Amino acid sequence: SQTIHQWPATLVQPVGSPLSLECTVEGTSNPNLYWYRQAAGRGLQLLFYSVGIGQISSEVPQNLSASRPQDRQFILSSKKLLLSDSGFYLCAWSLAGAGGELFFGEGSRLTVL
Amino acid sequence: QKEVEQDPGPLSVPEGAIVSLNCTYSNSAFQYFMWYRQYSRKGPELLMYTYSSGNKEDGRFTAQVDKSSKYISLFIRDSQPSDSATYLCAFGGGKLIFGQGTELSVKP
Repeated sequence: SQTIHQWPATLVQPVGSPLSLECTVEGTSNPNLYWYRQAAGRGLQLLFYSVGIGQISSEVPQNLSASRPQDRQFILSSKKLLLSDSGFYLCAWSLAGAGGELFFGEGSRLTVL
Repeated sequence: QKEVEQDPGPLSVPEGAIVSLNCTYSNSAFQYFMWYRQYSRKGPELLMYTYSSGNKEDGRFTAQVDKSSKYISLFIRDSQPSDSATYLCAFGGGKLIFGQGTELSVKP
């Protein structure tokens, strides 16, 4: 069966520090991969999605970047965090070409101080 | 007009009540209609999935889609404290678009 792992679960970082959140998927090949951010009391904002290795689409201009160095690995990064980067970050995957069902990781809660 | 609008809540009901959660949408191109459930500090999980107008039932949950009026609903019968969570509607047909979520609390 397919599983998705996301880490770290919780992170407290000072303003201006770098960020790296990792996500891996097991049990499937060539998945579509996604990074979402969820602010308190708000819906899910799509940040990046990827349909293959090295193929990244950005939905919102921001202080973040994403990379997909391997088929089932997706990384969210920042060189210098801002206070506004605080939030709940969710990695998700879907089958390539599937009709929209997403499978989410457990999330990473980032607090920037 | 927002592409998706979801009743914001929060909603608090007694155990055993019937719960109705609603979303409206404006994009006629949406082909798939979903409800996700998200427990506190967890990732969302798919609860119901449909692609046609009408009702789809799964245990205590019924998803209703009305394409002509552009709204979807999720009904929960005999609600339980374990149903306490945030419910997100989602629409697909290209990128997946989520509603803002409705926080539900079922009191014993």
